[in-house]
Amino acid sequence: GQNIDQPTEMTATEGAIVQINCTYQTSGFNGLFWYQQHAGEAPTFLSYNVLDGLEEKGRFSSFLSRSKGYSYLLLKELQMKDSASYLCAVFSSGGSYIPTFGRGTSLIVHP
Amino acid sequence: EAGVTQFPSHSVIEKGQTVTLRCDPISGHDNLYWYRRVMGKEIKFLLHFVKESKQDESGMPNNRFLAERTGGTYSTLKVQPAELEDSGVYFCASSATSSTGELFFGEGSRLTVL
Repeated sequence: GQNIDQPTEMTATEGAIVQINCTYQTSGFNGLFWYQQHAGEAPTFLSYNVLDGLEEKGRFSSFLSRSKGYSYLLLKELQMKDSASYLCAVFSSGGSYIPTFGRGTSLIVHP
Repeated sequence: EAGVTQFPSHSVIEKGQTVTLRCDPISGHDNLYWYRRVMGKEIKFLLHFVKESKQDESGMPNNRFLAERTGGTYSTLKVQPAELEDSGVYFCASSATSSTGELFFGEGSRLTVL
C-alpha cells in the first residue's frame, strides 16, 4: 500500500516564505505531484518531480528526495490568493498508474 | 480548450434514491479517473478508465457504485441506492498519458445524501 503524510494546516504571513512537507512510503515510485485546490474549485497542477532535486517554477519550487521518501513545496513572496489546500500525490507504477493523494495541507496566508 | 466538466455541481438526494454523475474529459484524453473526497479526509481513488475499458476499479467501495464510459468519451458514475456515507465530493480527472504527466481535474460534483 501507500502512505502519504503532510501537515494538516499551516499559517504564514503575506510576503513570507513557507515550506510544505510531504513524506511518503510506496512501492514502485514513479513521481510525485503537487496540486493546489481553492475551496470549491478543481485541484490544479503545480509540479511533478520524478528525479531528485529542486524544480523551480516562478514563486513555487518543489523538491524531491527519493531515498528519503520526502518532498517539499516552497512558496515564496506569499500572496493572499495562495491561501488554499496543497495536495501531495504519489504516482506508483505497481499495476496501473494511479496517483494517490495525501490529505492536503490547508495554508492560510494572513496580512 | 475546454477543461474537464462535471454535472451536476451539487446534488441532494434522500437515502435509497439513485444519482448519476457525469464527467466530460478533455477531448482526446484516453485516461479518465474518478476520485471521491469525504469531508476531512483525503481524495481517494475510485477507478480508472483507459478509453472505454476499466483499467483499475479497486477503489470502488461496493456494488452500489457503477461507472461506465461508453465509446470512450464521457463517463457516468451511478450510485444506487445511495447511503448516507456516500456523501462527499466526486472528482473526475483526465490525462493524455497514464504513465507520466498531470491530471486535469473537474470542479467536482458534491453529493449530499440525507
